[in-house]
Amino acid sequence: AQSVTQLGSHVSVSEGALVLLRCNYSSSVPPYLFWYVQYPNQGLQLLLKYTTGATLVKGINGFEAEFKKSETSFHLTKPSAHMSDAAEYFCAVSERRDDKIIFGKGTRLHILP
Amino acid sequence: DAGVTQSPTHLIKTRGQQVTLRCSPKSGHDTVSWYQQALGQGPQFIFQYYEEEERQRGNFPDRFSGHQFPNYSSELNVNALLLGDSALYLCASSSLKVSQVTDTQYFGPGTRLTVL
Repeated sequence: AQSVTQLGSHVSVSEGALVLLRCNYSSSVPPYLFWYVQYPNQGLQLLLKYTTGATLVKGINGFEAEFKKSETSFHLTKPSAHMSDAAEYFCAVSERRDDKIIFGKGTRLHILP
Repeated sequence: DAGVTQSPTHLIKTRGQQVTLRCSPKSGHDTVSWYQQALGQGPQFIFQYYEEEERQRGNFPDRFSGHQFPNYSSELNVNALLLGDSALYLCASSSLKVSQVTDTQYFGPGTRLTVL
């Protein structure tokens, strides 16, 4: 069975500092991996996804993530945090492109002025 | 191009009642998935509809049922509501057409259901 573990339910960083949100996954087949962002009282917006090919994936708003099979990780990073990045971030996995998505419990990112 | 739309945005019901939530997929998409997001949790998969049939189902009781219409829109029905059904219900659309298979599900804004 697939699962996702997000380390840290809350992460605080200063504006301009590096953002690092950690995600580990479990999957019996090569996974499809996703990061979604959710702003208060809104739905989910796709930040980036890994399907096949290049392991470093670039997404919207300056975010990127690296798929590391040996570590079963898919950590999300951004070099310089902005106040507008404050939101809930969800790492997710699926087995196939048309399969259900399994989400982690989320990490709330706080940006300190 | 309209994205995924859901109605209503908010809903308040009492225990034991029944509720119907609606979803219109993104233009060109033929598959609709429903997720339940309880407060402080990640979304959980309820079921997926394609060609008007339930294609996959998560670990939800039979009180949760759905329907997909010929125009690909979908409904989620929940019977005999419990307090624990209070959540944000998210609809996501994608495409399974051979020529247009997508590996991304696009989410709507959700319907906030409160059960009193």
